[in-house]
Amino acid sequence: GAGVSQSPRYKVAKRGQDVALRCDPISGHVSLFWYQQALGQGPEFLTYFQNEAQLDKSGLPSDRFFAERPEGSVSTLKIQRTQQEDSAVYLCASSPTFSDTGELFFGEGSRLTVL
Amino acid sequence: GESVGLHLPTLSVQEGDNSIINCAYSNSASDYFIWYKQESGKGPQFIIDIRSNMDKRQGQRVTVLLNKTVKHLSLQIAATQPGDSAVYFCAEKYSGSRLTFGEGTQLTVNP
Repeated sequence: GAGVSQSPRYKVAKRGQDVALRCDPISGHVSLFWYQQALGQGPEFLTYFQNEAQLDKSGLPSDRFFAERPEGSVSTLKIQRTQQEDSAVYLCASSPTFSDTGELFFGEGSRLTVL
Repeated sequence: GESVGLHLPTLSVQEGDNSIINCAYSNSASDYFIWYKQESGKGPQFIIDIRSNMDKRQGQRVTVLLNKTVKHLSLQIAATQPGDSAVYFCAEKYSGSRLTFGEGTQLTVNP
């Protein structure tokens, strides 16, 4: 596709359930980022991949959060034992370069609601 | 700790007027700044960027000004249009590849 694609767009989970959010970056983009955006707030960094290597995961809020990009293309953000505070929009972004530019191309996000 | 913040959470302007959105940053080591526009239900969209060795950069109808002395960043939008209504975020980069976003300003353009 022409842009970053995320699925599902909306996810409702019961507290304690596991969820998986998928990101299809722009073809050929080497850098991939995950951000968490709470209602009315700016996006907050979660993790960064360069191809298949996860170079920075310092933003992941707990060990319940796990991200992978096994073949350097599609990425999955997994949240185990979801909590209400995990409710947010999860944004994926990709970039064609090795991180020197801030021009990230964002997807439309996956809105997670934990009941 | 370091932070990026915005002076005004909301801004309302008349169509055709110029808009100015301000942002303060606190990390003097930041070397790259970006403005993003986010419409409701969509992801942030890149508007314009500026490196710390510049103090002004112009795009189509937009200008970004950087004042490193007072650690201030602004986005000027000329001849604001209804389609410019959105939340605007400034973001800085000072640590590896991570972008740190501010809280955002809601711009409303009245026809």
